[in-house]
Amino acid sequence: AQSVTQPDIHITVSEGASLELRCNYSYGATPYLFWYVQSPGQGLQLLLKYFSGDTLVQGIKGFEAEFKRSQSSFNLRKPSVHWSDAAEYFCASNTGFQKLVFGTGTRLLVSP
Amino acid sequence: NAGVTQTPKFQVLKTGQSMTLQCAQDMNHEYMSWYRQDPGMGLRLIHYSVGAGITDQGEVPNGYNVSRSTTEDFPLRLLSAAPSQTSVYFCASSYNQGRDTQYFGPGTRLTVL
Repeated sequence: AQSVTQPDIHITVSEGASLELRCNYSYGATPYLFWYVQSPGQGLQLLLKYFSGDTLVQGIKGFEAEFKRSQSSFNLRKPSVHWSDAAEYFCASNTGFQKLVFGTGTRLLVSP
Repeated sequence: NAGVTQTPKFQVLKTGQSMTLQCAQDMNHEYMSWYRQDPGMGLRLIHYSVGAGITDQGEVPNGYNVSRSTTEDFPLRLLSAAPSQTSVYFCASSYNQGRDTQYFGPGTRLTVL
């Protein structure tokens, strides 16, 4: 069965510093991969997605993610974090068989 | 477009009560789904539907029923509420599955006493 692992429950980053959130997936073939963001009290919003082609994917709000098949990873990055980026981030995968599987999420705290 | 709407935003039930969480979308999406979100567990799929009249179980379906009589609506029914069903419930929709973006509603926070 497919699974998604986000090893970091919480991450604290200083405003202006770079950010990397880790995500590993478990599936034999390449799944469709997504990053969603959830602001407090809100639903989830798509940041970016990957399903084929260029392994570096650009998303909204200045985020990008890199797919690395050899490491089964899809890490999310941002070169300079803003206070408004404080939120919970979810990695998700879909093998195309109608079920989206989420990781447990990483809560990002931004310090001044 | 209103997108995906959910009602109510908050609900408190007593153990054994039943209720229906409403979900509607105005994007003509075929695929709709229900998730529950619990601390430290991410989002877990309860039920999903690939079109009107077609539903299937997700990862945690016990205690919940769904039906899909129209493309727009996908209600989630709690048959006999239990404290273990205290959670935040999200409805989502997309054109299809696989690579399509899922659009999420704002959620319903349910407390079962």
